[in-house]
Parts: sequence; C-alpha cells; structure tokens
Amino acid sequence: GESVGLHLPTLSVQEGDNSIINCAYSNSASDYFIWYKQESGKGPQFIIDIRSNMDKRQGQRVTVLLNKTVKHLSLQIAATQPGDSAVYFCAENKGAGGTSYGKLTFGQGTILTVHP
Amino acid sequence: GAGVSQSPSNKVTEKGKDVELRCDPISGHTALYWYRQSLGQGLEFLIYFQGNSAPDKSGLPSDRFSAERTGGSVSTLTIQRTQQEDSAVYLCASSLMGAGFRETQYFGPGTRLLVL
Repeated sequence: GESVGLHLPTLSVQEGDNSIINCAYSNSASDYFIWYKQESGKGPQFIIDIRSNMDKRQGQRVTVLLNKTVKHLSLQIAATQPGDSAVYFCAENKGAGGTSYGKLTFGQGTILTVHP
Repeated sequence: GAGVSQSPSNKVTEKGKDVELRCDPISGHTALYWYRQSLGQGLEFLIYFQGNSAPDKSGLPSDRFSAERTGGSVSTLTIQRTQQEDSAVYLCASSLMGAGFRETQYFGPGTRLLVL
C-alpha cells in the first residue's frame, strides 16, 4: 500500500555539522508534508511544513526540500546541536478532501544523535 | 499557554481489562486526533474529531476501540478487553480548525499503555 518511509533509520553527526534526514513517499496525491521532532518520553513537536506547490521552505536552522518528481522529502538542520538529538518523523497529509484532511501518515522515523 | 494534556501518563493493566485514556486539547481547538505509536515505530492514525461532524473512525484497529468527545473539548479513548498487542503509546493531538485546512497538529505527551 501507499506509505511514507525513511531511507536511514539512524544518523550520527558531530556538533556543528549539518544534518540531512530523508523521507520517501509513494502517494502522488499527498499535498502537505510535515516534519516532527520527538524527544524521549515526549509527544512529537512540529518543526516545519511544506505544501506541494513549493519545493523549498526555510525556518530557523532548518530547511525542508520537496522533490515531487521523485516523491522525496528532506530535512536539513544547520549547525546541529546536541539538543537536536531526537527521532525525526516525516508525515504526509493527503488532499482527498473532507475528513481525510485530519489524517497524517507518518514515516518510521530517523534517530539523530549529535555528539559534542 | 497550556498545551495538549493527556492522562494518565502511564497505565499498566491486565489482559482483558478495559482502559480509558483522556485527552484535553488546546483551548479553542476544534479538531482532535488520536494516534498510536508502537515501540520504535511511527505514529498510526486512529480517529479524528472535527467540531460537530461525525468522527473519522477509519483508523481504529478493531471494535474494541472507541472514542468520544464530549462538549467539543475533552476526548476519551476506550479500549475494551485489552490485549497485549494494544501496548503502545497513545498520542492525542489538536489543531485549530481541522477539516479543509493544512494545519499544525499539536501533540500531547502521550499515555504509555502496557498490557500484561
């Protein structure tokens, strides 16, 4: 079936490096994508989102890139800090209309570990 | 301001017992969502409430699962005759408007359910 998935389950980086977390999706009808950060024992925290009419969106130290041609999404974190260590999930929202707007389909998650 | 709150934070129960999980959404948010997160997995959509509309129950895994939302605010997720495979973190989220909008969903800390 259609799903959202991640290429790499774990990523280890040194403090100060840039991190790139990747996500593949298979549903071409998806038109809204979100990245969440989940720290141990906590609920997911919104990081950044992007709509399908865009290919890039920047936030504070984070950038999301969307390539609809290959159905690929990435999260770039600049100058990664130890506090960025967490599990990162991509999620999609399908544009089928009606009540399906509320459903988010999540990927498996990537564990980011930042070493000081 | 106050975020989404959930109670209890942890619940241990015996197989076959019923459990009730509570979610208090952010004040003023009309949409409320329940997700389930199994160990090391992404989030799985369960059910979605938006205002006074009939809830989208398409993600509920069996008829042992039910949820209600009273007065458009607090929601309770009930699992009857719990099974060991029900063990997971149950996450609640809310958003301002819900259906028809691409909105940020704000998550609570979750309830960790362990069925022995």
